[in-house]
Amino acid sequence: QKEVEQDPGPLSVPEGAIVSLNCTYSNSAFQYFMWYRQYSRKGPELLMYTYSSGNKEDGRFTAQVDKSSKYISLFIRDSQPSDSATYLCAMSEGGYQKVTFGTGTKLQVIP
Amino acid sequence: GAVVSQHPSRVICKSGTSVKIECRSLDFQATTMFWYRQFPKQSLMLMATSNEGSKATYEQGVEKDKFLINHASLTLSTLTVTSAHPEDSSFYICSARRPGATDTQYFGPGTRLTVL
Repeated sequence: QKEVEQDPGPLSVPEGAIVSLNCTYSNSAFQYFMWYRQYSRKGPELLMYTYSSGNKEDGRFTAQVDKSSKYISLFIRDSQPSDSATYLCAMSEGGYQKVTFGTGTKLQVIP
Repeated sequence: GAVVSQHPSRVICKSGTSVKIECRSLDFQATTMFWYRQFPKQSLMLMATSNEGSKATYEQGVEKDKFLINHASLTLSTLTVTSAHPEDSSFYICSARRPGATDTQYFGPGTRLTVL
């Protein structure tokens, strides 16, 4: 079993839809949770960073962490064609431990 | 967000040659940088952790004599692929850890290496 599981997609949604991206994990010691966006042939860009359980909102993006279920989510409201990219979840135990990445979910927002 | 640059963005070389890739953190000093490899439709595979002023720490299965890493300053790390072969063709991405933020990494734009 992989430490971090993420559905690779692709996920296609119409413009304006609410997008839900998810990851599950097995390591209960993970405390820091990140979401990165990666456009084709580019490096990943940090979108959201959360510590422990709870929600964090930034513009159209909301990150949720449920440590009891070992489940994290990224919601994108009012999705735009420019949101089309691969979204990677990432997590770590903290204390400068290695960051573990999901395989990424490819999202396509159709105009 | 923080800016990390990578050079070159794309390189094509002949089998047997060596290729050097530079990674620079432009607006902060990074004591730790990371080198990843990414195959099409796959996630990032950590190759090594580069610490300024000391030897890099390589992940299991990564040949340290083939992938030479040097982190000579707080803003520059280099990855040299020695005696490159076609199976080394991949997308190489570096990242830098920002001081004070233990787990957030800022990524460079990546280098696409093609070995003929």
